[in-house]
Amino acid sequence: GQNIDQPTEMTATEGAIVQINCTYQTSGFNGLFWYQQHAGEAPTFLSYNVLDGLEEKGRFSSFLSRSKGYSYLLLKELQMKDSASYLCAVSDSNYQLIWGAGTKLIIKP
Amino acid sequence: TAGITQAPTSQILAAGRSMTLRCTQDMRHNAMYWYRQDLGLGLRLIHYSNTAGTTGKGEVPDGYSVSRANTDDFPLTLASAVPSQTSVYFCASSDSATHEQFFGPGTRLTVL
Repeated sequence: GQNIDQPTEMTATEGAIVQINCTYQTSGFNGLFWYQQHAGEAPTFLSYNVLDGLEEKGRFSSFLSRSKGYSYLLLKELQMKDSASYLCAVSDSNYQLIWGAGTKLIIKP
Repeated sequence: TAGITQAPTSQILAAGRSMTLRCTQDMRHNAMYWYRQDLGLGLRLIHYSNTAGTTGKGEVPDGYSVSRANTDDFPLTLASAVPSQTSVYFCASSDSATHEQFFGPGTRLTVL
């Protein structure tokens, strides 16, 4: 079966760094996406990895290891506005997205 | 550009009634999707369409139907609503080059 695992909830302090992990088992792999979703809003795109390694975009970075079925999203210099759910999704062999349940990130002052 | 619009924003529906959730995109994306999102379960695919004139079933299609008469519109119909269909429904479309999905603002549906 297809499965995406990520922690349900994490807490971090404003100004700190947090790493959100995602492991996956899917039928085929055409890339891994991270989305951010604020409460009551739609998901918005953060990053896309299709090759192994680190992709950096401002305060956010995403890492992929295809051999390990593993990715992480790294958020630096945390701000209160980063409080949101972070969704990991894998594009399978049919280019359909398989979604994790999301990690709720709580930022404390 | 508006991107993706959904209507209505929210709706309370009596069990047994039918309803159509509307979705329109102006990005000329070929692929469109309907998801439901329930607490603790993440996004689950209901139906999808890879191009106008074609549709396919996702993970949880029972009780729902879709049509794709043109590129822009992808309505989702509940023929006879049941309380378990209470959820937030998101429509999305994807860019054929990157496969990034863009989401509408969602419809919050309550079935009583």
